[in-house]
Amino acid sequence: DTEVTQTPKHLVMGMTNKKSLKCEQHMGHRAMYWYKQKAKKPPELMFVYSYEKLSINESVPSRFSPECPNSSLLNLHLHALQPEDSALYLCASSSSAGGYYEQYFGPGTRLTVT
Amino acid sequence: GESVGLHLPTLSVQEGDNSIINCAYSNSASDYFIWYKQESGKGPQFIIDIRSNMDKRQGQRVTVLLNKTVKHLSLQIAATQPGDSAVYFCAENSNNAGNMLTFGGGTRLMVKP
Repeated sequence: DTEVTQTPKHLVMGMTNKKSLKCEQHMGHRAMYWYKQKAKKPPELMFVYSYEKLSINESVPSRFSPECPNSSLLNLHLHALQPEDSALYLCASSSSAGGYYEQYFGPGTRLTVT
Repeated sequence: GESVGLHLPTLSVQEGDNSIINCAYSNSASDYFIWYKQESGKGPQFIIDIRSNMDKRQGQRVTVLLNKTVKHLSLQIAATQPGDSAVYFCAENSNNAGNMLTFGGGTRLMVKP
């Protein structure tokens, strides 16, 4: 199983809502990532988790709160987002966060903030 | 031919022709490079990678060339097929950054039947 799954596929939320994005992998990977991708732009790294601990936060605003409950799951909690946060949110995983390992991407959650 | 649009550079090729997608990287410390393919509505999919101690690597129908002198990476796709139509991103990584990837701007490949 080389699949990373993400739910929901689409999400529309208001600026006062609280919602969560979910990501799951069963490849035994110990590194998981959140990326943000705006239309016609490349993915931009947001967070890296290594062995269930947050290892990198790329200066992401606090209205985005990541969580790694166990080695297979990664969540992104959203609160008080802005319309400019509308984007495709991609989750990825790799064997390790050190060295060079292929990152497997999920299909993404398309988020629209109204 | 190749054109630069308002957002994504686009390469349009005839089915069966070979395609060459180029990427310039900026970090001279980068020593690992990956090409990803992203189809509409999907996440990026790994195509091929190359380490800085190599200048060429071949896969099935794809070849990656690395020129460290001018910091240039290219992806060659042989006998391009309609299923190759997608956006292609190069990504770079340096040993100092762990497994953090920095993606290039992307090129849209359109294959005409």
